Amino acid sequence: DIQMTQSPSSLSASVGDRVTITCRASQGITNYLAWYQQKPGKVPKLLIYAASTLQAGVPSRFSGSGSGTDFTLTINNLQPEDVATYYCQKYNNSPRTFGQGTKVEI
Amino acid sequence: QVQLVQSGAEVKKPGASVKVSCQASGYTFTTYDINWVRQAPGQGLEWMGWMNPNSGSAGSAQRFQGRVTMTRNTSISTAYMELSSLRSEDTAVYYCARGPVVNSHFDYWGQGTLVTVSS
Repeated sequence: DIQMTQSPSSLSASVGDRVTITCRASQGITNYLAWYQQKPGKVPKLLIYAASTLQAGVPSRFSGSGSGTDFTLTINNLQPEDVATYYCQKYNNSPRTFGQGTKVEI
Repeated sequence: QVQLVQSGAEVKKPGASVKVSCQASGYTFTTYDINWVRQAPGQGLEWMGWMNPNSGSAGSAQRFQGRVTMTRNTSISTAYMELSSLRSEDTAVYYCARGPVVNSHFDYWGQGTLVTVSS
């Protein structure tokens, strides 16, 4: 099975910072990658799919890039409401594995 | 609007089974896959399996094969996930999530169902 590895596991940044989270697949997955945001005690929310397509209604300060094995989620101008754990997920085939998560704090 | 509404919290004893439901509304139930994802307390997301509500075909992660059954009742737009031979490590919040296309990301999620396994 393809493994998904996120880094870092956690980070602390300031309001207005640019934050970058990396997700690496153990084998190529073309662009079958999604990013989710999960705020404490809440349901996961889709941010980005197909590696770089912003889900409707998601603020434009979120962006995704990459293909093959290396992917990045970038949050520009970090806001207090962005405090959450972020997960990548590959979905080219089963199992549709998630990364272990990256906790973002301010 | 699209909604996935799950059944309520459950407490089960080790060795028992649990069946969680996920009722869809706001779209045609049979045209989108339903996936199941769980999250143990303080842990990350774990994909369990998927089901095509139109055909009834399903697949699961290898670690759940033989223990998980995914079914549906199209007349009431409801998907079910049954997990058997429960153990304490199965204590988790279980989510259903819609996949808008085949081999897809998950665009809508249910509110989650807490399943507690305790003697």
